[in-house]
Amino acid sequence: GDSVTQMEGPVTLSEEAFLTINCTYTATGYPSLFWYVQYPGEGLQLLLKATKADDKGSNKGFEATYRKETTSFHLEKGSVQVSDSAVYFCALSDYNNNDMRFGAGTRLTVKP
Amino acid sequence: NAGVTQTPKFRILKIGQSMTLQCTQDMNHNYMYWYRQDPGMGLKLIYYSVGAGITDKGEVPNGYNVSRSTTEDFPLRLELAAPSQTSVYFCASSLDSSGNTIYFGEGSWLTVV
Repeated sequence: GDSVTQMEGPVTLSEEAFLTINCTYTATGYPSLFWYVQYPGEGLQLLLKATKADDKGSNKGFEATYRKETTSFHLEKGSVQVSDSAVYFCALSDYNNNDMRFGAGTRLTVKP
Repeated sequence: NAGVTQTPKFRILKIGQSMTLQCTQDMNHNYMYWYRQDPGMGLKLIYYSVGAGITDKGEVPNGYNVSRSTTEDFPLRLELAAPSQTSVYFCASSLDSSGNTIYFGEGSWLTVV
């Protein structure tokens, strides 16, 4: 079945460092891809999404490009801030499934 | 601007007790979900519903029950609570499953002692 694999954490970076969190997927159809963020003590919030190949989702300085040829949706940010410290989840959804499939999550800690 | 609302936010249960986690959404979404998130882990689907009167099991349904009598409400019932059910529970909803965004509640922290 459809699934998502994302890089294991935790990831610790200094402020203003470049961030990449890898995400690859397996799907039989043409899924939409998502990144969710979970701040401490809160629920998951949508960070960005892309619904078809070569689409780029972006929000709050984060970007991810839907790469069908490599089945990937890596999350990037050019300069992280302390406030970006959170757990990031990659996810996919398509009409073949009745739910969204989530990766295990990657914890990011940004130090001043 | 309520979105998905779940209660209670925190609860401590004794082994063998029962309780219901309430969830309601005001976005007229067809799909609703219950996930659990164990410490340091990802999300696991407990139950989901594709519309009023229809529910189905997810990955980890044992020890739980759900009902969906209205579009808005999707309560999760824990029968005979066990320590293994200590977790954070998230209710969520989406318009449908074809690539639409899932919206989450703020979570319910449950401890079984």
